[in-house]
Amino acid sequence: QKEVEQNSGPLSVPEGAIASLNCTYSDRGSQSFFWYRQYSGKSPELIMFIYSNGDKEDGRFTAQLNKASQYVSLLIRDSQPSDSATYLCAVNEDDYKLSFGAGTTVTVRA
Amino acid sequence: DAGVIQSPRHEVTEMGQEVTLRCKPISGHNSLFWYRQTMMRGLELLIYFNNNVPIDDSGMPEDRFSAKMPNASFSTLKIQPSEPRDSAVYFCASTFGLAGVRGTQYFGPGTRLLVL
Repeated sequence: QKEVEQNSGPLSVPEGAIASLNCTYSDRGSQSFFWYRQYSGKSPELIMFIYSNGDKEDGRFTAQLNKASQYVSLLIRDSQPSDSATYLCAVNEDDYKLSFGAGTTVTVRA
Repeated sequence: DAGVIQSPRHEVTEMGQEVTLRCKPISGHNSLFWYRQTMMRGLELLIYFNNNVPIDDSGMPEDRFSAKMPNASFSTLKIQPSEPRDSAVYFCASTFGLAGVRGTQYFGPGTRLLVL
């Protein structure tokens, strides 16, 4: 299984601040990158995917991809208490499989 | 759509017993994945099927684990005999198409397995 590394956290940010999550991956051939959010006791749900170098914005979320550095990040702007969760970075291994990182736990302080 | 359906949601069993987990993927999806999640090892892919055919079972931990997909709307993951180290949350996920193109995987609610 290809390696996907994330800081486990916890990452604590005040409400309204920007939360920045980082992910590095080992396989230069990876083409697709995903961010999943997992609330405690729940299943992972997809919040963002990105295929091309650069930034992709969706509401308060921005994914950033740098294939040369094998680095993908997620920014959460105007963080809300409801954003408190574990965020999983996933990278495609082949046409079907995804490799998941261990996840970064985010806590937004009210 | 009801989403991915898994049953049972919780299972408590004793070591040595057989455990069968069930999954119904989203209608129209042609790929199905079984994952196991623990605090120590995170989310691990056990096996995945495409068009009901097992494609990669390299993540299945040992021969005690087996999975089947007899049709497009049903899959099972069986553990026989179960051991305490099998205690985990088991997720089923489904998708249509290729992970690299349209591969948003939709996860079921999971089955929390506790083996005593």
